[in-house]
Amino acid sequence: QSALTQPASVSGSPGQSITISCTGTSSDVGNYNLVSWCQQHPGKAPKLMIYEGTKRPSGVSNRFSASKSGNTASLTISGLQAEDEADYYCCSYAGDDTWVFGTGTKVTVL
Amino acid sequence: EVQLVESGGGVVQPGGSLRLSCAASGFSFSSYWMHWVRQAPGKGLVWVSRVTTAGTYTSYADSVRGRFTISRDNTKNTLYLQMNSLRADDTAVYYCAREGSGGYHFDFWGQGTLVTVSS
Repeated sequence: QSALTQPASVSGSPGQSITISCTGTSSDVGNYNLVSWCQQHPGKAPKLMIYEGTKRPSGVSNRFSASKSGNTASLTISGLQAEDEADYYCCSYAGDDTWVFGTGTKVTVL
Repeated sequence: EVQLVESGGGVVQPGGSLRLSCAASGFSFSSYWMHWVRQAPGKGLVWVSRVTTAGTYTSYADSVRGRFTISRDNTKNTLYLQMNSLRADDTAVYYCAREGSGGYHFDFWGQGTLVTVSS
C-alpha cells in the first residue's frame, strides 16, 4: 500500500493551465478506471473534484478535467484562478477492498 | 444537506485507546458504505478503513489492521472507529467520509477530529 506519487508542487499564473500527475502501479491506477481527485484548502476538509477517472460531481467547474494513461493519471486545471490555490490529492482503488492516496500536490497561483 | 460530524479526538498516551464517532445527517446513512481517512500534521491523506452498509464487511490499511475496528449503528446514523494500542505515528486528524454512489470515491467528508498520541 505505497502512496501514489505526485509532484510536491505545481504553479501557474492566472488564466494558465496546469497539470498534476499521479503515478501508481499496475495494481492500482493501471488496473482500475477508479481514480478520483480531491481538493483541500488549508484547515479544511477535502472536496471531491473528479471521480471514476473523468467524471465531475455536480457543482464542480468544468475547468477541472482528468485523464489516465497506463499507470499514470492526470488532473488538468484550465483557466487557473486564485481560488484554485490548494492541495490536490489523487486516490485510487487498490483491490482487496483497499484504497490508496497520492502524496499530494500544492498548487500555487502566481 | 449532507453533514458528517466527527468527535472523540483528544490526547492519549502510547498504548492507550480511543473511540471516534461520526454523526451523519441529511442522507440515508444506512444506504452508504463509509470510510475513515487520516492526515498526520503537515502530511498527506491516508486511507484507514471501510465498512459496508450493514456493517457486515470491513477492511483496513495494513498499518492499523488488528488495532483499529470500524463499526456503525444505523439506528443512530453513526460511524465509529475504535482505536487500540495507539502509537505516536497514529497522531493525525481523522476524517469520516461517505463513499459515493457507484462506489470507489469519497463524495462527502467531515471536518475531522484530531487525535494526538503522546506521553
